[in-house]
Amino acid sequence: DIQMTQSPSSLSASVGDRVTITCQASQDITNYLNWYQQKPGKAPKLLIYDASNLETGVPSRFSGSGSGTDFTFTISSLQPEDIATYYCQQYDNPPFTFGPGTRVDIK
Amino acid sequence: EVQLEESGGGLIQPGGSLRLSCAASGFTITSYWMHWVRQAPGKGLVWVSHIDRDGSTIRFADSVKGRFTISRDNAKNTLYLQMTSLRGEDTAVYYCGRGLVTTGYGMDVWGQGTTVTVSS
Repeated sequence: DIQMTQSPSSLSASVGDRVTITCQASQDITNYLNWYQQKPGKAPKLLIYDASNLETGVPSRFSGSGSGTDFTFTISSLQPEDIATYYCQQYDNPPFTFGPGTRVDIK
Repeated sequence: EVQLEESGGGLIQPGGSLRLSCAASGFTITSYWMHWVRQAPGKGLVWVSHIDRDGSTIRFADSVKGRFTISRDNAKNTLYLQMTSLRGEDTAVYYCGRGLVTTGYGMDVWGQGTTVTVSS
């Protein structure tokens, strides 16, 4: 199975800060990577697919990049409503594993 | 409005069976890949299973293979997850999700989740 790691596991940042999360796959997954946002008690929400494509309706402050084994998710200017846990997910090979998540808080 | 609504969760004893339902509205499930994802209390997301548009491709996570089955009732526009030989580690919120029409894998519509608790 492909293992996904994320760093950091949690972070605190100020409103307006640039926030970056990294996701690493245990093998080459090309660009077969999604990013999700999950708020407490809610279902996940798709933000980015194919590593860098912004899902319809998602604010442009969210972005993704990378290919192969190393990927980055960025919030260009952190907003209070961005408080959530963020997960990457690979879909190169089943099982379509998620990363362990990165919890983002406001400082 | 495009929606998914799960049901069928509950408290079940170890070794028991449960069938989860995921009723779709606003779209036809046979036009999309459909997925099940679960989340144990306080833990991360775990992909469980999916079925493709024509039902020819079905996959499961190793942890549920041989115990869970995925199916659809096209007339009811409903996805199911039949769970048997349930274990404590199956305790989780179970979500169904619709795969993107392009890739099939990014889930762009999710239900609210249904909670399964396996305990004696």
